[in-house]
Amino acid sequence: AQSVTQLDSQVPVFEEAPVELRCNYSSSVSVYLFWYVQYPNQGLQLLLKYLSGSTLVKGINGFEAEFNKSQTSFHLRKPSVHISDTAEYFCAVRTQGGSEKLVFGKGTKLTVNP
Amino acid sequence: GAVVSQHPSRVICKSGTSVKIECRSLDFQATTMFWYRQFPKQSLMLMATSNEGSKATYEQGVEKDKFLINHASLTLSTLTVTSAHPEDSSFYICSAPLWAGGEETQYFGPGTRLLVL
Repeated sequence: AQSVTQLDSQVPVFEEAPVELRCNYSSSVSVYLFWYVQYPNQGLQLLLKYLSGSTLVKGINGFEAEFNKSQTSFHLRKPSVHISDTAEYFCAVRTQGGSEKLVFGKGTKLTVNP
Repeated sequence: GAVVSQHPSRVICKSGTSVKIECRSLDFQATTMFWYRQFPKQSLMLMATSNEGSKATYEQGVEKDKFLINHASLTLSTLTVTSAHPEDSSFYICSAPLWAGGEETQYFGPGTRLLVL
């Protein structure tokens, strides 16, 4: 079985500051990795995903994430955040070649303050 | 991009009644859809996999007789919460996978907030 750990439940930052949201996973098989963003009372929107190839993945809204197999991590970063980035961010994994089911972390609430 | 809709967006019902939630893939077909439940300030928990033309696959601990799933067509899946109780109050989200260019992307609906009084 797979599991996802997002160590930080809340991350407050000031506008234009850099941010890193941490994600670690556990799996006995190879996985695909995803980051989703959820705005209040809305569904999830895909930010980026790692399937294969380059370990540095660029997504929408200026976000990027780096897959580190040895540390089983997939941390999300943005060099300069905006007020509009305030949202809940979820890291998720899915087994390669298996079911399309996603396993989610508990989420990190990013609050960008002026 | 692909769009998944849910209806209703919000529903309030009395304890003991049943509530049906619809999930539609608007511009693509999905033989599989997923239903999640999200409690306040918590993550999404997969409830079941909806399969077009066959029975749904439920995750461990999810009562299949309480959460009835019907995948009526390639663009519609419904979740019926039968004899709802206050503890069923939650945010229900569906998703549908779309395969394009050899890659699969899950598209999520906007969610349905259920409040059982």
